[in-house]
Amino acid sequence: DAMVIQNPRYQVTQFGKPVTLSCSQTLNHNVMYWYQQKSSQAPKLLFHYYDKDFNNEADTPDNFQSRRPNTSFCFLDIRSPGLGDAAMYLCAIASGVGIRLEAFFGQGTRLTVV
Amino acid sequence: AQKVTQAQTEISVVEKEDVTLDCVYETRDTTYYLFWYKQPPSGELVFLIRRNSFDEQNEISGRYSWNFQKSTSSFNFTITASQVVDSAVYFCALRDDKIIFGKGTRLHILP
Repeated sequence: DAMVIQNPRYQVTQFGKPVTLSCSQTLNHNVMYWYQQKSSQAPKLLFHYYDKDFNNEADTPDNFQSRRPNTSFCFLDIRSPGLGDAAMYLCAIASGVGIRLEAFFGQGTRLTVV
Repeated sequence: AQKVTQAQTEISVVEKEDVTLDCVYETRDTTYYLFWYKQPPSGELVFLIRRNSFDEQNEISGRYSWNFQKSTSSFNFTITASQVVDSAVYFCALRDDKIIFGKGTRLHILP
């Protein structure tokens, strides 16, 4: 059974039209990550949450925002998508710090901007 | 600063050959985790292995094996008797509080 569920798998949005990607988890892990992966590149970290503590990477554009209303759900909002924002967006979860570290990725949402 | 280097951008081997994917990392932390992920054309990241910084034992899982050497900050991945289904992009990653990925190695297994 999937532990990290991303919806939708494929999203097409218009240039400049706000779009929200969602991620949910079944494991109640306290750490959640959003990554952006462009074609033939490594996943790039946008944000991560440790519980409700939000951590924004220094080079994440202001156009990207995130919400985590509870442990299970996390959202990525792109306020005004540009053509350069077309990418695969990956959500990941991880448990705590210290010895027991697991990290699981969702299947990703492939965003197309037209 | 944390960094993961996968020097091999692309590798092609003929089916049944063995192939090793290299990974070198940098971190100032003494506690960290290293991962290998496989990304097939469908795009999802498939977890292969996790290794913590205190466990330098090599690991074998079927045709896959991993060689972790702290002295050289390397965590290399070997596929024995490669198969066409092994064709994918393979990422090495490092985690202390964030998961940092290398740029990946695209592996082509030719029939």
